[in-house]
Amino acid sequence: DVKVTQSSRYLVKRTGEKVFLECVQDMDHENMFWYRQDPGLGLRLIYFSYDVKMKEKGDIPEGYSVSREKKERFSLILESASTNQTSMYLCATVGAGGRNEQYFGPGTRLTVT
Amino acid sequence: DAKTTQPPSMDCAEGRAANLPCNHSTISGNEYVYWYRQIHSQGPQYIIHGLKNNETNEMASLIITEDRKSSTLILPHATLRDTAVYYCIVRPANFGNEKLTFGTGTRLTIIP
Repeated sequence: DVKVTQSSRYLVKRTGEKVFLECVQDMDHENMFWYRQDPGLGLRLIYFSYDVKMKEKGDIPEGYSVSREKKERFSLILESASTNQTSMYLCATVGAGGRNEQYFGPGTRLTVT
Repeated sequence: DAKTTQPPSMDCAEGRAANLPCNHSTISGNEYVYWYRQIHSQGPQYIIHGLKNNETNEMASLIITEDRKSSTLILPHATLRDTAVYYCIVRPANFGNEKLTFGTGTRLTIIP
């Protein structure tokens, strides 16, 4: 079974703090994604990466950066957390073998106070 | 992604088959129908996908109409753990590095 793990399920941070969200996958997948999910807005893509050290902006990259130093690990960084970044953050990888389904981690519910 | 339309909510008795409909009248010839679900406070989970033939796996069956304008996801013997929001999306299969876009989905509640 594919395993996508995220460093925390729940996180509370203060405004202005630097926040690191880590995602690790064990299936040697090239493509990894960071989304945020908010009520009424659905899934929104923040960044994705298709290889080590490669990254592409998604639809809402402002206020975020990412790091992919190793194939299995994709980190999302909030440089200076703000209250409007309170959200559920979801990491995903894309399966191989022609199905192209996305495997999601359990999510990190981040609250910025 | 082509637009899909799903009922906002459905109930199903435990042990019965849950049939979740999806309309995708603007689907293109190279687009597949994918189904995901999201249990409360968890990440979305892939269920099944198909192009034009009916598909079945260990989780569910997918019935696609001959004109491909609609489909039905069938959970044959629903359990309480199947309570979730179910999302139907259409997209080409060879899209490895493209984002997923979910609509509002169908909130399925399994009744004991």
